[in-house]
Amino acid sequence: GQSLEQPSEVTAVEGAIVQINCTYQTSGFYGLSWYQQHDGGAPTFLSYNALDGLEETGRFSSFLSRSDSYGYLLLQELQMKDSASYFCAANSGYSTLTFGKGTMLLVSP
Amino acid sequence: NAGVMQNPRHLVRRRGQEARLRCSPMKGHSHVYWYRQLPEEGLKFMVYLQKENIIDESGMPKERFSAEFPKEGPSILRIQQVVRGDSAAYFCASSPPSGASTEAFFGQGTRLTVV
Repeated sequence: GQSLEQPSEVTAVEGAIVQINCTYQTSGFYGLSWYQQHDGGAPTFLSYNALDGLEETGRFSSFLSRSDSYGYLLLQELQMKDSASYFCAANSGYSTLTFGKGTMLLVSP
Repeated sequence: NAGVMQNPRHLVRRRGQEARLRCSPMKGHSHVYWYRQLPEEGLKFMVYLQKENIIDESGMPKERFSAEFPKEGPSILRIQQVVRGDSAAYFCASSPPSGASTEAFFGQGTRLTVV
């Protein structure tokens, strides 16, 4: 089977940096994706790592270590609008995704 | 370029009725995926379809659930004889042909409530 573990909740203040970790146990692993979801709305794609290392996209960065079955999402210069749920998801081939249960990020002033 | 369109946004059904959820993928996308999300949970994969083909239905319950993606028209997720446990948000996602992208584009979801 496949499973991904991530913290259920993280809190931080505006302007801070926060890291959301994700460990996975999957078969047929192609890469790790991260999605953001506001208030149960449409999940939106943030990043994808197929290879080990860091991928940077503006204020968000994502890291993958295949040997450790571990990844993280790094959010910098936090803003109130970043309060949302963040999901790591394992890609198995095409775009079929196995999601973690999500991390709720609460950003306070 | 319209995104992934799902309708209805909200659907209320009595136990034993049928629910039909529709999904129109983004223009140019030929792959459709259905996911189910319970409150406070992640999305659970149900089925992956291409036009007129079911590629992977390993996440679909064996009974009462079916999905199709006809040559013309939207993809349909059909739930027969709904029960209270079917209440959830059902999300559809689409992606371009294989190899073009690993990003899945999600619709706003259909919230099914079974009363």
